Amino acid sequence: GAVVSQHPSRVICKSGTSVKIECRSLDFQATTMFWYRQFPKQSLMLMATSNEGSKATYEQGVEKDKFLINHASLTLSTLTVTSAHPEDSSFYICSARDRLAGVGQQYFGPGTRLTVT
Amino acid sequence: GESVGLHLPTLSVQEGDNSIINCAYSNSASDYFIWYKQESGKGPQFIIDIRSNMDKRQGQRVTVLLNKTVKHLSLQIAATQPGDSAVYFCAETPYNFNKFYFGSGTKLNVKP
Repeated sequence: GAVVSQHPSRVICKSGTSVKIECRSLDFQATTMFWYRQFPKQSLMLMATSNEGSKATYEQGVEKDKFLINHASLTLSTLTVTSAHPEDSSFYICSARDRLAGVGQQYFGPGTRLTVT
Repeated sequence: GESVGLHLPTLSVQEGDNSIINCAYSNSASDYFIWYKQESGKGPQFIIDIRSNMDKRQGQRVTVLLNKTVKHLSLQIAATQPGDSAVYFCAETPYNFNKFYFGSGTKLNVKP
């Protein structure tokens, strides 16, 4: 089956630093990837839609200068949390849509736990 | 944005019983609905989906029902097992599949 990986799985950083999270589709090409964040015991909140070769589309209320998204290839999208603060601590999950599969199907990565101290 | 919500935050069932998890959505233009299972510390896992032109779809031990009149979605799990314990989310997307919106989740506890 389609596999999506994320790296790192866990990261702890100091307030004010930047953190990059990678999302890779391992056995398929993904023209579209999605980034979500999830607070404890809450649902997934869509942050942005990442399209290969173009700028990401951000959801209302998500700061694009703080959450930088780069979808440089058909198998890799990165999310950089710039100048991280403790309130950015969360579970970040990406998903990818298979370019060749039926519409609607998206495959999720295992998530990245970010803790900002 | 669209609102997708759930009626019950926590559901406890006895092993072997059937489980029903409910979800309400607000966007009548939604065309595609999915149920996901999420175990602690992991990403969501696809369970079953349904298009808006259907009202029922069955998988292995799972059935999804869609009532477009009242904008309601349900997931039925037959013969619930301890391995089914997780948080279940519904998600919906409009016809262009550009965005997926998730409901608030229901935690399913299966008692042995």
